[in-house]
Amino acid sequence: DIVLTQSPALAVSLGQRATISCKTNQNVDYYGNSYMHWYQQKPGQQPKLLIYLASNLASGIPARFSGRGSGTDFTLTIDPVEADDTATYYCQQSRNLYTFGAGTKLELK
Amino acid sequence: QVTLKESGPGILQPSQTLSLTCSFSGFSLSTYGMCVGWIRQSSGKGLEWLANIWWNDDKYYNPSLKNRLTISKDTSNNQAFLKITNMDTADTATYYCARIYGDYYVMDAWGQGASVTVSS
Repeated sequence: DIVLTQSPALAVSLGQRATISCKTNQNVDYYGNSYMHWYQQKPGQQPKLLIYLASNLASGIPARFSGRGSGTDFTLTIDPVEADDTATYYCQQSRNLYTFGAGTKLELK
Repeated sequence: QVTLKESGPGILQPSQTLSLTCSFSGFSLSTYGMCVGWIRQSSGKGLEWLANIWWNDDKYYNPSLKNRLTISKDTSNNQAFLKITNMDTADTATYYCARIYGDYYVMDAWGQGASVTVSS
């Protein structure tokens, strides 16, 4: 199994940068693509795709969100953070079946 | 516009079989590269992928639950189904279906979820 590790929580101030990390125990790269994706989930709602293949912005997602990384280390950055960004953020790999990280809860200071 | 909606019994008793339906629009499961998956989330917990089915009827299951899961589809009615046998209180969760975009193996659209409670 590919295990994804995220920090459980992060607190940032409005207008500042939030960086959420995701580390995997196996390489999720394959033929030039990193099969790592990021989702946002607000309470009572379904997850929403933010970033696919590590760095590609999903349709309709503001450019404040960005992703980077390869191999086993990935980050999601939100810059600047807005009040509406308070949510839990999940990374997910699809290199070998599908597994999710435990989620990082983003809160405002 | 891609939409998905899950439906299920809401409540069932331990040892019963859960039957879930995902009704979708905006794409077809007969189209090359299309896929629908099932994911669940226990209250306050993270996300767990369960199974997915491809346009060509290939099926994949979470190894930890494989012997209890059956996924299927009805292409003509734009529906996908999941059965889970021998339900336990630990299976109480919100069950989501999602479209998986085959080129990137990414879940790019999700249903609102169906709450399932297992209780005697």
